[in-house]
Amino acid sequence: QVQLVQSGADVKKPGASVKVSCKASGYTFTGYYMHWVRQAPGQGLEWMGLINPNSGGADYAQKFQGRVAMTRDTSISTAYMELSRLRYDDTAVYYCASGFYGSGSYRFDYWGQGTLVTVSS
Amino acid sequence: SYELTQPPSVSVSPGQTASITCSGDKLGDKYVCWYQQKPGQSPVLIIYEDSKRPSGIPERFSGSNSGNTATLTISGTQAMDEADYYCQAWDSSTGVFGTGTKVTVL
Repeated sequence: QVQLVQSGADVKKPGASVKVSCKASGYTFTGYYMHWVRQAPGQGLEWMGLINPNSGGADYAQKFQGRVAMTRDTSISTAYMELSRLRYDDTAVYYCASGFYGSGSYRFDYWGQGTLVTVSS
Repeated sequence: SYELTQPPSVSVSPGQTASITCSGDKLGDKYVCWYQQKPGQSPVLIIYEDSKRPSGIPERFSGSNSGNTATLTISGTQAMDEADYYCQAWDSSTGVFGTGTKVTVL
């Protein structure tokens, strides 16, 4: 069965960077785009961007451009999301999500368990 | 930037029908997905391409999309359906989620 297993919770100081990993299993890693979505405490879902695991090409939401980098290591079927220059309002649960592309749009069939990133001095 | 607006909350009695709306400019021209999220859990896809249900999703969940509004309908609502629900669409290659609706089963 498809599984996306993310790295554990992390605490960072303002201005630092965080890198979250997402290990995929149960499907062909290079066959489906990987997306990253975050959710601040008590708030809604926010799409951050996607990476094509096959080519390594990434596309980011305008809000995060210049501060986020999505990469992958196909040898271990793992995607990464690195967010730099962290601020207090970056405190959130970060999810990786993957799924099918059809009729001109992606959908998120599979989700990781989420990684809580806390920004605190 | 594109926005999707949902009512903050919807209340429904067990066995009754709950309808959750999602409004956005010319939303009917886009495909809409719906996700269910229970406290402390990751979201679950329950509707894609406006009205299709993934395998394993009960038939009581249905969706529609026309004009500026997409609607998720839960027929015969059960206590287990109490959760947050998010619509989602794509605009200019950017993923956009709705503001979310908390469904309470009274």
